[in-house]
Amino acid sequence: AQTVTQSQPEMSVQEAETVTLSCTYDTSESDYYLFWYKQPPSRQMILVIRQEAYKQQNATENRFSVNFQKAAKSFSLKISDSQLGDAAMYFCAYRSADFGNEKLTFGTGTRLTIIP
Amino acid sequence: DTGVSQDPRHKITKRGQNVTFRCDPISEHNRLYWYRQTLGQGPEFLTYFQNEAQLEKSRLLSDRFSAERPKGSFSTLEIQRTEQGDSAMYLCASSLGGREKDGYTFGSGTRLTVV
Repeated sequence: AQTVTQSQPEMSVQEAETVTLSCTYDTSESDYYLFWYKQPPSRQMILVIRQEAYKQQNATENRFSVNFQKAAKSFSLKISDSQLGDAAMYFCAYRSADFGNEKLTFGTGTRLTIIP
Repeated sequence: DTGVSQDPRHKITKRGQNVTFRCDPISEHNRLYWYRQTLGQGPEFLTYFQNEAQLEKSRLLSDRFSAERPKGSFSTLEIQRTEQGDSAMYLCASSLGGREKDGYTFGSGTRLTVV
C-alpha cells in the first residue's frame, strides 16, 4: 500500500516571501500521479498543482512549483511571493496510474500561516 | 455546473440515530468518491463508484455504512446506529474517467457531530 508523509505539521512565512512544504511517499509503482491540494478554512479542497511521475520536468502553476525527485520519492511544493490568501491546510496526495486503483492517498497535511 | 454539492453542510445527531448525506457530482463526471476527514488528519478513502457501480470499499466502511449511486448521478451515504467515533467531515469528490491526471473535484463536505 502507498503511504504519504508530510513531516511539517505547521509552517509560517512572511507575506511576499517563499516557502517550501515537504512531502515524501512510498510506493513500488513506477507510474503514478502526485497532487498538492489546498484546504482553506471554508473546508473545500482545491487542486493546486499536479505532477505525472513519467514526466521529469517539474510542474509549475503561476506562483506554485514543485520539486519532484522520483528516486528519492520526494515531492515538495514551493510557494513564491506568498499572499494572505495562501493561508490554508496543504495536503500532498498520491494516485496510482493503474486502471481500477482509483483512490487518492493523502498525507496528514501542513498548516500554512502567512504573516502580514 | 456549480461543482460538487453536498447536503447538509452540518448535521448534529444523537448516538444511535441514522443519518444520510447526499452528494451531487459534476454532471459529466462518471466517478464519485466518499472520504472521511477527522480533525488534524488528511482525508481517508471510504468508497468509490463508477457510474452506478460501487467498485471499491475501504475497510473503514463498516457494515453500519452504506453508499448508493442510483442511475449513476447523485450519491447517498447512510450511517446507521451512529457512534461518537463517526463524528467527522464527510467529503465527496468526483472525476472523469480517463482524466486521472486531473485529480478530483471536491465538495465542501458534511460535518457530522454525534452527541
